[in-house]
Amino acid sequence: GAVVSQHPSWVICKSGTSVKIECRSLDFQATTMFWYRQFPKQSLMLMATSNEGSKATYEQGVEKDKFLINHASLTLSTLTVTSAHPEDSSFYICSARDRGGGPRDTQYFGPGTRLTVL
Amino acid sequence: QKEVEQNSGPLSVPEGAIASLNCTYSDRGSQSFFWYRQYSGKSPELIMFIYSNGDKEDGRFTAQLNKASQYVSLLIRDSQPSDSATYLCAVTLSGAGSYQLTFGKGTKLSVIP
Repeated sequence: GAVVSQHPSWVICKSGTSVKIECRSLDFQATTMFWYRQFPKQSLMLMATSNEGSKATYEQGVEKDKFLINHASLTLSTLTVTSAHPEDSSFYICSARDRGGGPRDTQYFGPGTRLTVL
Repeated sequence: QKEVEQNSGPLSVPEGAIASLNCTYSDRGSQSFFWYRQYSGKSPELIMFIYSNGDKEDGRFTAQLNKASQYVSLLIRDSQPSDSATYLCAVTLSGAGSYQLTFGKGTKLSVIP
């Protein structure tokens, strides 16, 4: 149980294009999903918290107009990197909190999406 | 600034030994504590969670929590080369509401065959 998927697992795009990353909770409902970014040899950095049916809450320094988050259902959140640039190249990881119980506050992570912007 | 501190390592232990990973946190009101394992190039996977003071055992893993001293540790018994990874300590801060986790920077563990 508690499986989270992400798609795509990796993507290469040209500078200036937009990229959409999907995060799905496969066997549970997630009222809250989180988006993280991880640069090589660094720890996870929380970008935003996404609640189903409401606007995402962005961490300080994260541009909400550049990183668009939509949490349209209890099992799906999407992150769109708009007008991507090489400095946006990173490992993007989502996590989901199980609404139905289980260990409280536990976040289950997706496998991540590696974005390379040329 | 609420922080979670870990020794970055690398921590090297011989195969079969006990690996001890430590983590301290600054927010005395922290409520939930997690250990995640992250292999290079992969996303974190949950190993254990602990909420109450004391020890919690799961197979070869034991989590220890001491809220008075504000530290949480992870012991790995009979370490295997497959345990070589970065171990992330994560804490849910008091009053977070949205259940955000604050991560330490991780300790890199190497188990030498």
